Amino acid sequence: QKEVEQNSGPLSVPEGAIASLNCTYSDRGSQSFFWYRQYSGKSPELIMSIYSNGDKEDGRFTAQLNKASQYVSLLIRDSQPSDSATYLCAVNPQGSSNTGKLIFGQGTTLQVKP
Amino acid sequence: NAGVMQNPRHLVRRRGQEARLRCSPMKGHSHVYWYRQLPEEGLKFMVYLQKENIIDESGMPKERFSAEFPKEGPSILRIQQVVRGDSAAYFCASSGMNTEAFFGQGTRLTVV
Repeated sequence: QKEVEQNSGPLSVPEGAIASLNCTYSDRGSQSFFWYRQYSGKSPELIMSIYSNGDKEDGRFTAQLNKASQYVSLLIRDSQPSDSATYLCAVNPQGSSNTGKLIFGQGTTLQVKP
Repeated sequence: NAGVMQNPRHLVRRRGQEARLRCSPMKGHSHVYWYRQLPEEGLKFMVYLQKENIIDESGMPKERFSAEFPKEGPSILRIQQVVRGDSAAYFCASSGMNTEAFFGQGTRLTVV
């Protein structure tokens, strides 16, 4: 079992729709969770961090965390073509010395069609 | 530019040569991490350093790879005797203590 799992996609949504990206993780003791966006040939860009169960909203983005189910998701409202990218779920494993040590999923490719 | 700075952006080496990748953390950050992204694969953690200390090198290959973060100057990821399989994008990230990590633009290493 992979430590952080994501559906590789591509996930295709029409412009203006809600895109829902999902991630599961195996380390039950993980405490910190992150979503990064990576455009082709570019570096990962931090979008959201979430540490507690529930929802966290920032603009068009909402991160959701359910530690009991070991599940974290990212919702993108009013999707735009510029949101087309690979979205990486990252988990800070239990026992890490700092939050920068991350286990990444393979990423989900999102395509927003005009 | 207060972001994480990596150089060079692109590096071409012949098999058997050495590659040196440099990373200066974001202003105010003292924790540096190196990641590797192989073609069509995910980001993999390699090593975590603070000034003059390697904190966690659990992701470093056992041979040919080393990293340092000296008291003065940037962090260096060194790959000796490069092979074609080392061709990848190498990303550096930095953070404060228990804060989010931000990534540099990466170094694309090509071994010919």
